[in-house]
Amino acid sequence: DADVTQTPRNRITKTGKRIMLECSQTKGHDRMYWYRQDPGLGLRLIYYSFDVKDINKGEISDGYSVSRQAQAKFSLSLESAIPNQTALYFCATSDPRDGNYGYTFGSGTRLTVV
Amino acid sequence: GIQVEQSPPDLILQEGANSTLRCNFSDSVNNLQWFHQNPWGQLINLFYIPSGTKQNGRLSATTVATERYSLLYISSSQTTDSGVYFCAVGLDEYGNKLVFGAGTILRVKS
Repeated sequence: DADVTQTPRNRITKTGKRIMLECSQTKGHDRMYWYRQDPGLGLRLIYYSFDVKDINKGEISDGYSVSRQAQAKFSLSLESAIPNQTALYFCATSDPRDGNYGYTFGSGTRLTVV
Repeated sequence: GIQVEQSPPDLILQEGANSTLRCNFSDSVNNLQWFHQNPWGQLINLFYIPSGTKQNGRLSATTVATERYSLLYISSSQTTDSGVYFCAVGLDEYGNKLVFGAGTILRVKS
């Protein structure tokens, strides 16, 4: 099994619908992140969590919410999806005790809002 | 906020050629990482390199923190090196929150 698992891998949804993207990890890392990737813009941070009781907004949090259900689970919700939220979404984990910060990304969720 | 600029935006190489990718950043950072995104979208951490030089096989990276730039060297390129290379810098005290550059798209032709 992958260290960081995202579900679903692909999703098409309609404008105005609520949608949840899920992320689970087996790395044992406390720190988890949601990033969004748009063509030509790199990745941008949506929300991050340094432990179960800690939730923080990132660079582009408007229109999104998150829930940290357990150390291993971090979900991202779009309460009312809009077309400009069409993007590739990545969940990631890290651990500052790891020499490389241990940054590990999931395989991504490709979301299309029509 | 901090700016992260990568160059070149696109690069086409013949297999076996060498290349240098550059990352400039506008402020002091305590974390700098290089990632490779393969053609299937998977992101792999290549280097954590806030300063100094590291090597891993055909890849090496150098960061000159005082001059706010980092270089990624790819030697004897292979078709499997194709994809997008991202530089990312960490802002917070522990360097966890990353700000990414727009990436360099590399195509290696056989």
